[in-house]
Amino acid sequence: GNSVTQMEGPVTLSEEAFLTINCTYTATGYPSLFWYVQYPGEGLQLLLKATKADDKGSNKGFEATYRKETTSFHLEKGSVQVSDSAVYFCALPLDTGRRALTFGSGTRLQVQP
Amino acid sequence: EPEVTQTPSHQVTQMGQEVILRCVPISNHLYFYWYRQILGQKVEFLVSFYNNEISEKSEIFDDQFSVERPDGSNFTLKIRSTKLEDSAMYFCASSPGTRGYNEQFFGPGTRLTVL
Repeated sequence: GNSVTQMEGPVTLSEEAFLTINCTYTATGYPSLFWYVQYPGEGLQLLLKATKADDKGSNKGFEATYRKETTSFHLEKGSVQVSDSAVYFCALPLDTGRRALTFGSGTRLQVQP
Repeated sequence: EPEVTQTPSHQVTQMGQEVILRCVPISNHLYFYWYRQILGQKVEFLVSFYNNEISEKSEIFDDQFSVERPDGSNFTLKIRSTKLEDSAMYFCASSPGTRGYNEQFFGPGTRLTVL
């Protein structure tokens, strides 16, 4: 089956700093890739997605590019805000043809004012 | 904007008791899921449900677990005899029936504490 490896946190940044959270995956074929975010006390929310190689997903200033050469889907944001403090999860389907998702271990981001 | 809802937000139970966790998926979605997240660990898939039957399940989803869609709106997860290790956050999710497209929308979760 597919699997995903995410950089460990926590990541602590000052407001307006540049953010990168690394995500690499192992997969059969070219599955859709997702970033989910979990704000304190809340459930998972889809942040962005990419459905094929070289696609760039973007939302709320966050971006991630589906790179099949390096099997990566790193999350980036040019200038983080305190409100971005959350746990970020990289995810993809468990296997080809399956809808259920497998998630990375999550990276906690803390942004300080 | 439509959203997935879950009740209760927190459930405390004694070991060996039965619990039912409830979810209301987004109304026009066709696929429903349960995931769990033990504190400090990964989000893990439990089961998916489509067309009134289980379509996928993980190794975690053993005979202690069952799912049901008792009416046109609710989707439930039952744990028959809870164990301490069932303590976790349980997330319900739903997705549209679009072929090959598996974006999932998650509820806020139910925190289950087994004493």
